[in-house]
Amino acid sequence: AQSVTQLGSHVSVSEGALVLLRCNYSSSVPPYLFWYVQYPNQGLQLLLKYTSAATLVKGINGFEAEFKKSETSFHLTKPSAHMSDAAEYFCAVTRGSNFNKFYFGSGTKLNVKP
Amino acid sequence: DAMVIQNPRYQVTQFGKPVTLSCSQTLNHNVMYWYQQKSSQAPKLLFHYYDKDFNNEADTPDNFQSRRPNTSFCFLDIRSPGLGDAAMYLCATSNHRGSTDTQYFGPGTRLTVL
Repeated sequence: AQSVTQLGSHVSVSEGALVLLRCNYSSSVPPYLFWYVQYPNQGLQLLLKYTSAATLVKGINGFEAEFKKSETSFHLTKPSAHMSDAAEYFCAVTRGSNFNKFYFGSGTKLNVKP
Repeated sequence: DAMVIQNPRYQVTQFGKPVTLSCSQTLNHNVMYWYQQKSSQAPKLLFHYYDKDFNNEADTPDNFQSRRPNTSFCFLDIRSPGLGDAAMYLCATSNHRGSTDTQYFGPGTRLTVL
């Protein structure tokens, strides 16, 4: 079975500080992993995805994530937070099968302080 | 721009009064999904269409139905909304059902049940 755990339902950083949002997955087969961002009253927008190519994945808006199989992690980082990064972030896992069912984590709300 | 469109963005209905939410896409994707997202929770998949093939999640209540008259449109019908059905409803599409395929989300419809 697939599942995702996002540690920390709320994360607060100062503008310009490092952003680190944690995601750990559980999968019985090699996973495919996604990070989405959701702004208030909006849908989900893809930030980046890991599909077994490079373990360090770069996404939009300066975000990147590193797939670490030994730690079963796919943490999202950004070197310098911007006020516009304040949003909710969801990690999702899926697996090799004939159906692309996403298993979402419970989300992390990022607050950026001036 | 090609996109996933949901109408209306905000819908208010009365307890027990049927309501229909609409989703359209200009991406010409084979697969369309409906998710329910309650406040501060992860999106929960209700069902999906692969072309005209309907696939219901095992735990989706019978109160929820869906129609896909053509590739571009998909509807979510809630036959007798209860207070517990108040949520954001997200439509998503993907080109295939493959695990590496990104799901593209619409902006969502926020349903209020009075």
